Amino acid sequence: LAKTTQPISMDSYEGQEVNITCSHNNIATNDYITWYQQFPSQGPRFIIQGYKTKVTNEVASLFIPADRKSSTLSLPRVSLSDTAVYYCLVGEVGAGANNLFFGTGTRLTVIP
Amino acid sequence: NAGVTQTPKFRVLKTGQSMTLLCAQDMNHEYMYWYRQDPGMGLRLIHYSVGEGTTAKGEVPDGYNVSRLKKQNFLLGLESAAPSQTSVYFCASTEYTEAFFGQGTRLTVV
Repeated sequence: LAKTTQPISMDSYEGQEVNITCSHNNIATNDYITWYQQFPSQGPRFIIQGYKTKVTNEVASLFIPADRKSSTLSLPRVSLSDTAVYYCLVGEVGAGANNLFFGTGTRLTVIP
Repeated sequence: NAGVTQTPKFRVLKTGQSMTLLCAQDMNHEYMYWYRQDPGMGLRLIHYSVGEGTTAKGEVPDGYNVSRLKKQNFLLGLESAAPSQTSVYFCASTEYTEAFFGQGTRLTVV
């Protein structure tokens, strides 16, 4: 399994763009990169998934460089409601438990 | 569409008691998982299942057992609860892209 490394915590002011970087030096050819968001007392929620280059949806963007050894989750113009823990996961899609090992995540605090 | 439903939502057990947590999903997913999350920590995988009738150990399986007799249900059992099993338990199911999580079961063992 590819190990991931993320910052433990980040602070940001409301309205700013937030970029959370995840390192995954041992990513395998068939691995995808997936990000989840978790609010207190709730289960994690899928945000975005990608394999290479850039993926964008209504919530976030995911940037993956050509070597795929890292990825960056970008949250545009954060609000207080974006305060949560963000997890980066790496693994094969549809391969059982291979893609659902969570680390400690990045605790994002949005400041008014 | 209810998604993933966990019962119960809260439970207090005495040391040595047993209980079963139920996870039910209505999305016809093959894969189901049980996690525990301790305060300030990430999720740790207890057991998982890749289909009806199958189960496998995750990162922290000791003290837990599971069963997947029906595709839509994944049961987590504690045979003899210990204070170290005080935690929030999450169930999830997935097919390919995204995993769907239940709202969690907060278990306290005294």
